Amino acid sequence: SQQGEEDPQALSIQEGENATMNCSYKTSINNLQWYRQNSGRGLVHLILIRSNEREKHSGRLRVTLDTSKKSSSLLITASRAADTASYFCATMWNDYKLSFGAGTTVTVRA
Amino acid sequence: GAGVSQSPSNKVTEKGKDVELRCDPISGHTALYWYRQSLGQGLEFLIYFQGNSAPDKSGLPSDRFSAERTGGSVSTLTIQRTQQEDSAVYLCASRNRVKEPQHFGDGTRLSIL
Repeated sequence: SQQGEEDPQALSIQEGENATMNCSYKTSINNLQWYRQNSGRGLVHLILIRSNEREKHSGRLRVTLDTSKKSSSLLITASRAADTASYFCATMWNDYKLSFGAGTTVTVRA
Repeated sequence: GAGVSQSPSNKVTEKGKDVELRCDPISGHTALYWYRQSLGQGLEFLIYFQGNSAPDKSGLPSDRFSAERTGGSVSTLTIQRTQQEDSAVYLCASRNRVKEPQHFGDGTRLSIL
């Protein structure tokens, strides 16, 4: 399976703290994408990092990719209550198919 | 519409009945995906449509599952003779260009009694 695996499964932090979650995968990829899912809703795309990129930023999000270790990390800085959600990494290993991990559930406490 | 629209948002049915789930993708998006998400799990790929090409059905779990996409737009996922293990959230996504991010609907929560 190409599936990404997130770590940790769950994370609870105080508002204002940073949240870091990791994703590992098994085979070569075209790109890796991170998505957020609020309870009862669909997934929302956060950031896409291509296989030839090492780091990418978007607002309070920072994503790194280490293709030699087949791993990626998502950092959310200065977390807010609205960041409470599940976060999924998804690897694209051909032109169209994404493989999703089981996700990290993040709870931000006020 | 502005986003991917799925209907119904919730569906409760008895075991053995057939169900149809509908997805209306973003206008102009050529690619459409169906996924299944069981409670607390990631997404399981079911089927992929791209333009007029033959769909990738490799993720359909059994021959009770089928999907079609008419006119390159609206798609319907049909589950025949539903079983309790079919209970899940069924998500639809669409995208425009190859390798670009997917846009998801809010899903249909299917409960089989």
